[in-house]
Amino acid sequence: QSVLTQPPSASGTPGQRVTISCSGSSSNIGANYVYWYQQLSGTAPKLLMYRDDQRPSGVPDRFSGSRSGTSASLAISGLRSEDEADYYCAVWHDRLSGWVFGGGTKLTVL
Amino acid sequence: QLQLQESGPGLVKPSETLSLTCTVSGVSISSTSHYWAWIRQPPGKGLEWIVTINYSGTTYNNPSLKSRVTISVDTSKNQFSLKLNSVTAPDTAVYYCARHISPYYYGSGNYEAWFDPWGQGILVTVSS
Repeated sequence: QSVLTQPPSASGTPGQRVTISCSGSSSNIGANYVYWYQQLSGTAPKLLMYRDDQRPSGVPDRFSGSRSGTSASLAISGLRSEDEADYYCAVWHDRLSGWVFGGGTKLTVL
Repeated sequence: QLQLQESGPGLVKPSETLSLTCTVSGVSISSTSHYWAWIRQPPGKGLEWIVTINYSGTTYNNPSLKSRVTISVDTSKNQFSLKLNSVTAPDTAVYYCARHISPYYYGSGNYEAWFDPWGQGILVTVSS
């Protein structure tokens, strides 16, 4: 089990807005920036969001991130079939002295 | 364009040492602003950070793996390498190398989980 809790699955229809949560504690999300990674089937993870809410170049503005207290969220609006992937949150854990990932959320576009 | 490529044996026997190399192209591994990381993913499971290093040997280790991990940098070949000893079946995973940007950002005092880009990954199976 990861110290960061993500729902194992999420789904939506094309055009919908979907939100994926990442819940932690004061030792991780409560004290450090959250990052999000997208992993398409059979490929390596790709950086999707950095420092809570910053999009790297090339990531559509349909993707947005936020952090509040000990939780973070990734929102995807205007859902598209190519968004079907696994999504992982990541953060530094003060008490464990290392970087940790959430368990991942499998997003299905119906 | 920065690219990373993992290489090494795809099969390791239990109790032996897993050895992988990541070849970096497009940037010097000696760049003072760059750190380099190994991350793994067991089949069908999530991601686990293993270790981060820079060219001068500054290292961050996952405490749960530290006793079994050795990481090194070869600046002449623009490569960095991972050794994981005493492997068992749970060490079976896809191993990724990645650039780790600003693991510790002095400006804000924050540790950053900024891994970009990643190599394509290499599956290592531990089995006799």
